Amino acid sequence: NAGVTQTPKFRVLKTGQSMTLLCAQDMNHEYMYWYRQDPGMGLRLIHYSVGEGTTAKGEVPDGYNVSRLKKQNFLLGLESAAPSQTSVYFCASNPQGSVNTEAFFGQGTRLTVV
Amino acid sequence: QQQVKQSPQSLIVQKGGISIINCAYENTAFDYFPWYQQFPGKGPALLIAIRPDVSEKKEGRFTISFNKSAKQFSLHIMDSQPGDSATYFCAASIEGSGTYKYIFGTGTRLKVLA
Repeated sequence: NAGVTQTPKFRVLKTGQSMTLLCAQDMNHEYMYWYRQDPGMGLRLIHYSVGEGTTAKGEVPDGYNVSRLKKQNFLLGLESAAPSQTSVYFCASNPQGSVNTEAFFGQGTRLTVV
Repeated sequence: QQQVKQSPQSLIVQKGGISIINCAYENTAFDYFPWYQQFPGKGPALLIAIRPDVSEKKEGRFTISFNKSAKQFSLHIMDSQPGDSATYFCAASIEGSGTYKYIFGTGTRLKVLA
């Protein structure tokens, strides 16, 4: 029972490099989210998707892009990494039809931009 | 109006004591209030949740108290154990608003001393 799986778990990037974080869920959930977690700031929403082929901006979208080409996958891209994007990134998903239910989180990706 | 304010930022409790974490919100349209527990190196996981039509919900040693008029809710951990040492996040969401997302508090790092 995999749940929500994030790839990779750790990554170090140089400033200006690009990368893609992959989130995969096997629960047939409609809603998927990307959050970043920084000390003292809790979880801040970057982008989210309410279904295959849809994406929307969250609180802190600048510097990130996302795609949801398949229902089970939600990709987060950094086109030109900056030190300010050093953070722990979490993907989450909600069952179809309701945000007022349990969100299932992946185990996180620790990204360091040097 | 979309913020959820959480306090304290950190909390140290003796084993067997009561841990209390508080959250306050402004938007009266919020209709779901979950608490998430996060252990180091892991993603958050749902601990307990409440809807505003009840004033209290208890699951084992964990209780949510909800005060609709004061727009506050709190998590009480009775008989706190060292295994409860984690970071706790409150959150709020609105069903059917088109937002499809949680608003998280900034987190409380709980340490229970053996």
